[in-house]
Amino acid sequence: ETGVTQSPTHLIKTRGQQVTLRCSSQSGHNTVSWYQQALGQGPQFIFQYYREEENGRGNFPPRFSGLQFPNYSSELNVNALELDDSALYLCASSLSGDTDTQYFGPGTRLTVL
Amino acid sequence: DQQVKQNSPSLSVQEGRISILNCDYTNSMFDYFLWYKKYPAEGPTFLISISSIKDKNEDGRFTVFLNKSAKHLSLHIVPSQPGDSAVYFCAASGTSGYSTLTFGKGTMLLVSP
Repeated sequence: ETGVTQSPTHLIKTRGQQVTLRCSSQSGHNTVSWYQQALGQGPQFIFQYYREEENGRGNFPPRFSGLQFPNYSSELNVNALELDDSALYLCASSLSGDTDTQYFGPGTRLTVL
Repeated sequence: DQQVKQNSPSLSVQEGRISILNCDYTNSMFDYFLWYKKYPAEGPTFLISISSIKDKNEDGRFTVFLNKSAKHLSLHIVPSQPGDSAVYFCAASGTSGYSTLTFGKGTMLLVSP
């Protein structure tokens, strides 16, 4: 059973650029959730995808968008990067959104200069 | 407005003693609570959960207590071990499944030999 993987591990971008982060969910899991963890804060929910459809969204602007593919892997896209977007981005997979089996990946550290 | 609060940023405990981590919440709609542990450079790992219909859940050295009237939960680790040193996040959900997680800011636990 493979765990949740994320790529890249680290990324440096400049303000105004666009970024795509990737997540491979755990085998058998059809739900992916994305979270943003700023320094000194807990993870904040961005959105969730279930069977390729957005299933819920947190308080993030539309320039944060996502995709889920037929194999349940997922992408997080952020357009028009701002300095405050610098954070650890975590992906979690679960079976049908069952919260106590949400498995997190190691995260992607994004730095916006 | 922080709906899940962990008011202690850090806690130091000696090996073998009890560690008590506290969490308060404000949203009465939360009915499922989880604790996650996070080591540096890794994603959060699910530790233990409790439904609002219970007031205690135990798993080995870890016990979570829920006081619904006070909107307070705590995680007890007995006995504490140096390997328990990590950041602990309290998280809450509005339903027992198919939902998103709202996290606290975390408490860094240091267990010294």
